[in-house]
This record gives sequence, C-alpha cells and structure tokens, in this order.
Amino acid sequence: AQRVTQPEKLLSVFKGAPVELKCNYSYSGSPELFWYVQYSRQRLQLLLRHISRESIKGFTADLNKGETSFHLKKPFAQEEDSAMYYCALTPSGTYKYIFGTGTRLKVLA
Amino acid sequence: DAGVTQSPTHLIKTRGQHVTLRCSPISGHKSVSWYQQVLGQGPQFIFQYYEKEERGRGNFPDRFSARQFPNYSSELNVNALLLGDSALYLCASSLRTSTYGYTFGSGTRLTVV
Repeated sequence: AQRVTQPEKLLSVFKGAPVELKCNYSYSGSPELFWYVQYSRQRLQLLLRHISRESIKGFTADLNKGETSFHLKKPFAQEEDSAMYYCALTPSGTYKYIFGTGTRLKVLA
Repeated sequence: DAGVTQSPTHLIKTRGQHVTLRCSPISGHKSVSWYQQVLGQGPQFIFQYYEKEERGRGNFPDRFSARQFPNYSSELNVNALLLGDSALYLCASSLRTSTYGYTFGSGTRLTVV
C-alpha cells in the first residue's frame, strides 16, 4: 500500500537547536516527495521538492531510497519555524498527493 | 494575483442535503485538485482535473463529484451529506502535474449537522 508516515505528532525544540522532522514512505516505484508547511492561520504552502534539491528557509530534505525516508532537517531552529509540517508523496504516473498526518513543530525561546 | 480562491469559507448543512463548493485557480493554472482534511489528519485526495478532464479520483463514494469549467475554475459537489463529511475541503491548483507542487486555497469548512 502507498503510505506516508510521520511518526511524531508534536516535536518541541529550543531555539538554535537542530531540527529533524521524520517522514517515511511506502511505495514500490520512484516517488516524488514534497514537504508542505502550514503556519498559524495561513494556507498550506509548498516548502520544498526532492527533485529540485533546494534549500528553503534553511530546511533541506534528502531522499533515502534504501530507508524509504525523506526527513526534513534544519541545523538551527528559529521561533518562526513553528508550524505544522506535512510530508507528501506522489506515485509516478498519478496526479495525487498522499499526505502524512503531519508533525507540529514548536520552537521554544 | 489573488491566489487560489475558494467559496464559501464556511458552510453548515443538514444530513441528506447537497452542497457545492467552488474554486478559482491561479490565473494560468490548468490543473485543479480537491482534498478533504478531517481534523487531526493530513489532506486526503478526492479529485484532480487537468484541462477540464478528470485525471484522478481518490477513494471516495459516488456521492462526491466534480467538474472543471472552460475558465479552469472548478466545483466539488457532495450529495446526501453525512455527518462524516464534516471537514475542511481544500482546492489546489498547479500549472501542470503535481511535479511542480500545488498552490492551496484557504479551504471551505463544511459542518454537517
């Protein structure tokens, strides 16, 4: 079955500490993976795509096909990073996202 | 650019009624998708339309239907509403397929009583 798992519902870190939001997927083909973020009272917005290998707001994510993971990382958390983060997968040849249940990140002062 | 706009923002309906939700994509975007987000869960895929044709359908009953108009706006229709249909309904648009990532609207909060 195609599935995205985000094992942590809530992750609290102190400002300046490293952050890693976990995402594991279940898919037999070559996936397209994304991270979306939702700040308080704002829309869901694209943070980054694995195919572009970009760094946005200091966040990076590497696709590890062996471990079927796409963890989101940032070396030094900032208070403005507090938000809900969703990992999503698009099976190749389809037009849908399969979202995880999300992880709420709280960055403490 | 106003972004992806959805109407109405909130809606209360009674069980058994019908509802129509509307979405206007970003200008130039030809792909529109609909998602249902129940509290505490990630969005669940309902439909995707591209160039007015249905390109994908999620695991939802036939009570759910959608269409895309020549101007690329879209409607999501739900018949015979159930309490379990209460959710936030999100519309998302994209230039083409999902490889490019989607731009989401703010959603329509549907409450079925």
